[in-house]
Amino acid sequence: NAGVTQTPKFQVLKTGQSMTLQCAQDMNHEYMSWYRQDPGMGLRLIHYSVGAGITDQGEVPNGYNVSRSTTEDFPLRLLSAAPSQTSVYFCASRLRDSSEAFFGQGTRLTVV
Amino acid sequence: AQSVTQPDIHITVSEGASLELRCNYSYGATPYLFWYVQSPGQGLQLLLKYFSGDTLVQGIKGFEAEFKRSQSSFNLRKPSVHWSDAAEYFCAVGAHTNAGKSTFGDGTTLTVKP
Repeated sequence: NAGVTQTPKFQVLKTGQSMTLQCAQDMNHEYMSWYRQDPGMGLRLIHYSVGAGITDQGEVPNGYNVSRSTTEDFPLRLLSAAPSQTSVYFCASRLRDSSEAFFGQGTRLTVV
Repeated sequence: AQSVTQPDIHITVSEGASLELRCNYSYGATPYLFWYVQSPGQGLQLLLKYFSGDTLVQGIKGFEAEFKRSQSSFNLRKPSVHWSDAAEYFCAVGAHTNAGKSTFGDGTTLTVKP
């Protein structure tokens, strides 16, 4: 099993560009989430999904879109990148609410 | 709403010394509690978790944590720290009423002195 795979690992964007961060898991987990990690602010939930076709907002959803067309994939889209979105992004999946989360290795995004 | 507080941003201990990292949570019912560790440049790895039952839980790498309902705490402990334990540690709370939404603390960075 590969676990949770995130691509790319590093990305530099110009302000206003769009891009998609990819996340895939091969553990047949129902729940998937996107977090951003900023110094001194821990992990903040951006969006999450409890199954294919179902998504919901976390605490910092503005500027990000998600979709969940399959159980395996949960891409995060930045429609118009801003410097405030410079961060490390983590995707996580879990089997159900009471189970541990498995994290990807992260995507380090810089918006200039 | 659920929340997690890790009061210590940074802790330094000597190798071989004992360690306690504090975690306080806020939630109306019995939560699911987790401790994760993050090494530099890596994702988060689960150390241990508590759902119910025995309030002292054992995890990997010699870590343990104790759930104290009266204090709303879930502190992480290790009797003797190794240099390889230097990392950032996150406490997290989840609940069945908030499907998929775990809340993480801001993290505690552990430095180990030789």
